Amino acid sequence: QKEVEQNSGPLSVPEGAIASLNCTYSDRGSQSFFWYRQYSGKSPELIMSIYSNGDKEDGRFTAQLNKASQYVSLLIRDSQPSDSATYLCAVGLSGYSTLTFGKGTMLLVSP
Amino acid sequence: GAVVSQHPSWVICKSGTSVKIECRSLDFQATTMFWYRQFPKQSLMLMATSNEGSKATYEQGVEKDKFLINHASLTLSTLTVTSAHPEDSSFYICSARGQGGVNTEAFFGQGTRLTVV
Repeated sequence: QKEVEQNSGPLSVPEGAIASLNCTYSDRGSQSFFWYRQYSGKSPELIMSIYSNGDKEDGRFTAQLNKASQYVSLLIRDSQPSDSATYLCAVGLSGYSTLTFGKGTMLLVSP
Repeated sequence: GAVVSQHPSWVICKSGTSVKIECRSLDFQATTMFWYRQFPKQSLMLMATSNEGSKATYEQGVEKDKFLINHASLTLSTLTVTSAHPEDSSFYICSARGQGGVNTEAFFGQGTRLTVV
């Protein structure tokens, strides 16, 4: 059974700090990895996608993938109160169209 | 990113009636569309996966005769909640994924908040 695990949080960080969100997955065949942000009452919004080991940076966001450890993370630099949301990790497996989502980590950025 | 439009954004209906929710991919062809339900403060729950031109695959515990899914074209999928009851009140969200294999991103519609009274 494919599983994606995230700490539910809340993860509290002060404004300007780095927020680190983590995700582990069970299926070694997983090949695509995504981070979504979901504000309360809204639908998820894609932030980052990563497919190969290493880091991928986009603005204040950096996704990190380590397939050997089955671990993917999202770093948010210079965190802002507007970053307060639930962050969902999603994993895709070759040959399957369905993404497996974690339950999400709630991030709270205090001013 | 790509745009997925979901309509309506909210709907109130009477118990026993049916409600149709539309999900359109506006700037790409969606090979696969997904329908999720989310209750307050809970995680996404996948209801079904549909591929254009074929029957939807429903997750365990989801009644296919109650939640009718049609994926008639590469840009449109619909979810019809039949004989709605108050317990069907929830936030329904569609997601679409284009052609391109495993390295293809999935984009979400805005969601539909259904209230059955």
